[in-house]
Amino acid sequence: EADIYQTPRYLVIGTGKKITLECSQTMGHDKMYWYQQDPGMELHLIHYSYGVNSTEKGDLSSESTVSRIRTEHFPLTLESARPSHTSQYLCASSDTDPNNEQFFGPGTRLTVL
Amino acid sequence: KNQVEQSPQSLIILEGKNCTLQCNYTVSPFSNLRWYKQDTGRGPVSLTIMTFSENTKSNGRYTATLDADTKQSSLHITASQLSDSASYICVVSGRGGSYIPTFGRGTSLIVHP
Repeated sequence: EADIYQTPRYLVIGTGKKITLECSQTMGHDKMYWYQQDPGMELHLIHYSYGVNSTEKGDLSSESTVSRIRTEHFPLTLESARPSHTSQYLCASSDTDPNNEQFFGPGTRLTVL
Repeated sequence: KNQVEQSPQSLIILEGKNCTLQCNYTVSPFSNLRWYKQDTGRGPVSLTIMTFSENTKSNGRYTATLDADTKQSSLHITASQLSDSASYICVVSGRGGSYIPTFGRGTSLIVHP
């Protein structure tokens, strides 16, 4: 079992609310990622980080932001949630070696009403 | 643009039967290819990794093959079990640049008793 945690596991909120999805890992990995996945669809990279104070946007345009103040923590924030944000959000981490595995958290299922 | 295509999109088999899933990719230059298993509502978990010089690798009842010349990989599942019901995702990483892996859409496998 990978040591990467996400909270909350499920979240139902109203439109316009600000939310933060938490992700923490205890493996000391430098790289961390956020993916968005709709049912039956592929994972889309929305943000990634190579280390503390390093963040980059992924392929999927998103109204979200991330921060990496500590190695183990990589929160994702939606300033104003919309129904189009309804999806599964997966956090992952990996070591710097490109052959190293990405370890995924259990995901947060977000529903915006 | 780097792409990973998987087939079939979905597959239903009877318990005990074998099956083979396909993955074609255009990622270049190639670094490695992983097969992940994703249970419903969970994050993906790595099954196998293959680098350029490897053409077959097994993990229990799972056997992955790689043809780097034709840019094709397959995942063969032997003597399927009900617990094999999941989505199987092919992920390809390139060399150089940011090492961000490219995900396929996955094959949804259902094993019936």
